Amino acid sequence: RKEVEQDPGPFNVPEGATVAFNCTYSNSASQSFFWYRQDCRKEPKLLMSVYSSGNEDGRFTAQLNRASQYISLLIRDSKLSDSATYLCVVNIYGSSNTGKLIFGQGTTLQVKP
Amino acid sequence: NAGVTQTPKFRILKIGQSMTLQCTQDMNHNYMYWYRQDPGMGLKLIYYSVGAGITDKGEVPNGYNVSRSTTEDFPLRLELAAPSQTSVYFCASSQQGAANTGELFFGEGSRLTVL
Repeated sequence: RKEVEQDPGPFNVPEGATVAFNCTYSNSASQSFFWYRQDCRKEPKLLMSVYSSGNEDGRFTAQLNRASQYISLLIRDSKLSDSATYLCVVNIYGSSNTGKLIFGQGTTLQVKP
Repeated sequence: NAGVTQTPKFRILKIGQSMTLQCTQDMNHNYMYWYRQDPGMGLKLIYYSVGAGITDKGEVPNGYNVSRSTTEDFPLRLELAAPSQTSVYFCASSQQGAANTGELFFGEGSRLTVL
């Protein structure tokens, strides 16, 4: 079983739609969680952290369910510019406490006019 | 601001050749990382460094070597290139360890093909 699993998609949605991605992780010792965005042939960039109580940043909402070991990302009112691959990232504290970021394979979103 | 700079951006190697991917950052970050990303896959950690003179293996270190003689530079060396090393390589840095913030600053990537 992969440590971090995502549905690769692609998710094809019209502009203005609401879309949600889920991500599951296998290690219950996972400490912190993030969503990164990666545009085609570009480097990943941090989109947002995911907090236990859930958090929102504009049109983006991230939620964490520790009991079921999954995190989600909700995008409201999708824009063409939201088209990208969204990487679920989980941090596991290592013995040296530098942590270890585990990246999912990403979910691709295509927003159509 | 330059951030994290990687060179070269593209390279084609023959099997058995060696090369070094250069990475430098101007943000005075202590932590630096090398990842590889295969098509349709997530990033895999090759090596990381928590400061000058200190390096450690990640998930997929075989076939690679690194050094960290300065805070700014973290080169990745491939000694005997193999087709399995065809990938996109990303160098990244962070102010604190990934454990604390999760925010890594990535370079633009180096696309390597081994034929």
